[in-house]
Amino acid sequence: DAGVIQSPRHEVTEMGQEVTLRCKPISGHNSLFWYRQTMMRGLELLIYFNNNVPIDDSGMPEDRFSAKMPNASFSTLKIQPSEPRDSAVYFCATRAGSNQPQHFGDGTRLSIL
Amino acid sequence: RKEVEQDPGPFNVPEGATVAFNCTYSNSASQSFFWYRQDCRKEPKLLMSVYSSGNEDGRFTAQLNRASQYISLLIRDSKLSDSATYLCVGLSGGSNYKLTFGKGTLLTVNP
Repeated sequence: DAGVIQSPRHEVTEMGQEVTLRCKPISGHNSLFWYRQTMMRGLELLIYFNNNVPIDDSGMPEDRFSAKMPNASFSTLKIQPSEPRDSAVYFCATRAGSNQPQHFGDGTRLSIL
Repeated sequence: RKEVEQDPGPFNVPEGATVAFNCTYSNSASQSFFWYRQDCRKEPKLLMSVYSSGNEDGRFTAQLNRASQYISLLIRDSKLSDSATYLCVGLSGGSNYKLTFGKGTLLTVNP
């Protein structure tokens, strides 16, 4: 029973480079969430999709961040250009309905040098 | 003021001890609450929901006090495997989508 699948698990890149994080939701889950976790700020919601449509992107830190969900089985979070302060663990989570719990992927550990 | 606040710890307790975590929330519109557990370098996982009437799951008891905007988690007879970070979480937003996480309380259970 596959859970939420994120890739890559780790990414180390130089500042200024484009970074793309990927998420495959659990089949049948119609809501998808991108979170960022740092020691200073904890877990923060970046963006929420429902049925592939972005509903709330108020947590996206700035224009360098963008997220897409072209279909029900795939989402990307892109940072362009990346900066050292973007270093964090990025989690994708999905759920089957509004009364269902969110299931998290393993996360992507991003380090921007 | 952060929406969900909890004591960061760390809590260091011996095996078999009882330990309690507390959490306060500022958004009175929050509809539901949860405790999540996060192991080191892992993803958060749902531990249990929190109900006003209080609910128990084995050694774990959760309580919600809406009047005081306060949530608690009690762990009895703690095990080494309980060592983790415990996250207090509030749910709000239309269609119940927005999880707001506390920064977590680190628990270490020692042999």
